[in-house]
Amino acid sequence: GAGVSQSPSNKVTEKGKDVELRCDPISGHTALYWYRQSLGQGLEFLIYFQGNSAPDKSGLPSDRFSAERTGGSVSTLTIQRTQQEDSAVYLCASSLGARGTSGASYNEQFFGPGTRLTVL
Amino acid sequence: ELKVEQNPLFLSMQEGKNYTIYCNYSTTSDRLYWYRQDPGKSLESLFVLLSNGAVKQEGRLMASLDTKARLSTLHITAAVHDLSATYFCAVGRLTFGEGTQLTVNP
Repeated sequence: GAGVSQSPSNKVTEKGKDVELRCDPISGHTALYWYRQSLGQGLEFLIYFQGNSAPDKSGLPSDRFSAERTGGSVSTLTIQRTQQEDSAVYLCASSLGARGTSGASYNEQFFGPGTRLTVL
Repeated sequence: ELKVEQNPLFLSMQEGKNYTIYCNYSTTSDRLYWYRQDPGKSLESLFVLLSNGAVKQEGRLMASLDTKARLSTLHITAAVHDLSATYFCAVGRLTFGEGTQLTVNP
């Protein structure tokens, strides 16, 4: 009955390395979101998965960022050739995912604890 | 492009006082969310507002939505220290405001 879980909780990497961040949504939630939160800032939408539909990647800041969701459950966000400006907390959220008229979920989103990424 | 603006961004208030946080957004949307974030923690859902005129209350917090004015308010009644946190509104496909950092002083 756990909530959204993310791993690792903290990741320190060197500039130029690739990193993978993992999100386990709440069981039964078909919608999954990735956000980025820089220190003292609001949330920046990155990518949205809804069921078997093609993901909405409109928030990904560059082609170094990619995400996949296997089997409609676990998702992995990959950042290639990390840069210092990638340092942030990466938050994952899931919801029941009833698609509304604007394409987003009516249902409230439940957030994971986040992964704090530090690029040295 | 949808823009969401909150004000104030920083709010320091005394315990027992009332105050309102405002959330304006730039394009039509039929849903608005309020979240709370404690330092170093993730976001906790407070309210989901789905229609014009919707009002929801939980404890000392009350949220309302005016879709015609593209405005939501989060009203704090008789503030207590435990309400100190950052409050975010979010609209549509989760476009977030900058957040309002609330500090309630004894």
